[in-house]
Amino acid sequence: DIQMTQSPSSLSASIGDSVTITCRASQGISTSLSWHQQKPGKAPKLLIYAASTLHSGVPSRFSGSGSGTDFTLTISGLQPEDFATYYCQQFFTTPWTFGQGTQVE
Amino acid sequence: QVQLQESGPGLVKPSETLSLTCTVSGGSISNYFWSWIRQPPGKGLEWIGYSQNGGSTNYNPSLKSRVTILVDASRNQFSLKLPSVTAADTAVYYCVRDRELGHWGQGTLVTVSS
Repeated sequence: DIQMTQSPSSLSASIGDSVTITCRASQGISTSLSWHQQKPGKAPKLLIYAASTLHSGVPSRFSGSGSGTDFTLTISGLQPEDFATYYCQQFFTTPWTFGQGTQVE
Repeated sequence: QVQLQESGPGLVKPSETLSLTCTVSGGSISNYFWSWIRQPPGKGLEWIGYSQNGGSTNYNPSLKSRVTILVDASRNQFSLKLPSVTAADTAVYYCVRDRELGHWGQGTLVTVSS
């Protein structure tokens, strides 16, 4: 299985801050990576797919980059509704796997 | 806008079979990857498996011998069956479309308990 490791596991930030979350794959996955946001008691929502493509309706303050084994999710200008847990997910090969999550608080 | 809705029992006894259905509205169930993903309380996400196009399936090896995912195109539904459940199968179960997991159901909590 491909292991996905996110860092940090949690971070504290303030409104307006720029936040960066990293995700590292245990082997190369090209750009077969998605980022998801999950709020308490809710289903995850897709933010970014193919490492850097913004999903429909997602604010442009979210951006993604990377390929191979190293990826980043950046939130430029944190908003109150962005406090949530973020997961990376690889779909390069099965079993599809997730990072352990990063809580932004 | 495609919508997914899980349905099924919220409580299953140990050793019995967990059965869930996902109803797809606002779009055809033909084509696409249709997955089940679960999340134990307070923990991370685990991909269970998918069914795609005409019935090909792929399951997580950690559950492979126990999982069946079927698509019923006539009803625009797909299902999950997980036999011989234990407390470790207690989780919120989500049905999801696409490899990128672009469309999620709201999730349904299944508790395994006698």
